[in-house]
Amino acid sequence: DAGVTQSPTHLIKTRGQQVTLRCSPKSGHDTVSWYQQALGQGPQFIFQYYEEEERQRGNFPDRFSGHQFPNYSSELNVNALLLGDSALYLCASSLRRGGRYEQYFGPGTRLTVT
Amino acid sequence: AQRVTQPEKLLSVFKGAPVELKCNYSYSGSPELFWYVQYSRQRLQLLLRHISRESIKGFTADLNKGETSFHLKKPFAQEEDSAMYYCALRRGQAGTALIFGKGTTLSVSS
Repeated sequence: DAGVTQSPTHLIKTRGQQVTLRCSPKSGHDTVSWYQQALGQGPQFIFQYYEEEERQRGNFPDRFSGHQFPNYSSELNVNALLLGDSALYLCASSLRRGGRYEQYFGPGTRLTVT
Repeated sequence: AQRVTQPEKLLSVFKGAPVELKCNYSYSGSPELFWYVQYSRQRLQLLLRHISRESIKGFTADLNKGETSFHLKKPFAQEEDSAMYYCALRRGQAGTALIFGKGTTLSVSS
């Protein structure tokens, strides 16, 4: 099991553009959470998906949206990119059924907005 | 509002010295507290959770509700302990988000 995988590894975009980041959860996991980690900061929760629906959301604008597919993989979309969106984006998966909820993190996608 | 504070950005110790990484939180309910670790060029991984009350790699952490603290301790630091350590809180409801502190870099030198 490769664990949580994310693609791409690095991405450079221009202000105003749109970006899509992808995440495949650990085998057997059904819940995906997305975090933004700015330089020198801890990860900050963006939102969480379970059963293809957004279940919880952090303090992020509507420019940040997501999707979960039937195979539990997920996408994070950011529209109208700002310079401040430059960060490491982490995906974490967990198993909601069974009650453990321990989150396993992916390696992240480094987004640079110029 | 829920908040996790790690007051030290960097903690430098010598091999064999005791280590204490501080974590304070603010939350009015019954939180779950975690320590995550990130070694160089590796992904973030869970080190400890308070409900397990276990020792991992010689590290322990006790939840002190009176002082709202969850400090991470190890009696004798090893060079391989050098990493970034994050304290995180989850509200006492299943499946809710993790709230992280800013992290502390632990540097252990010989």
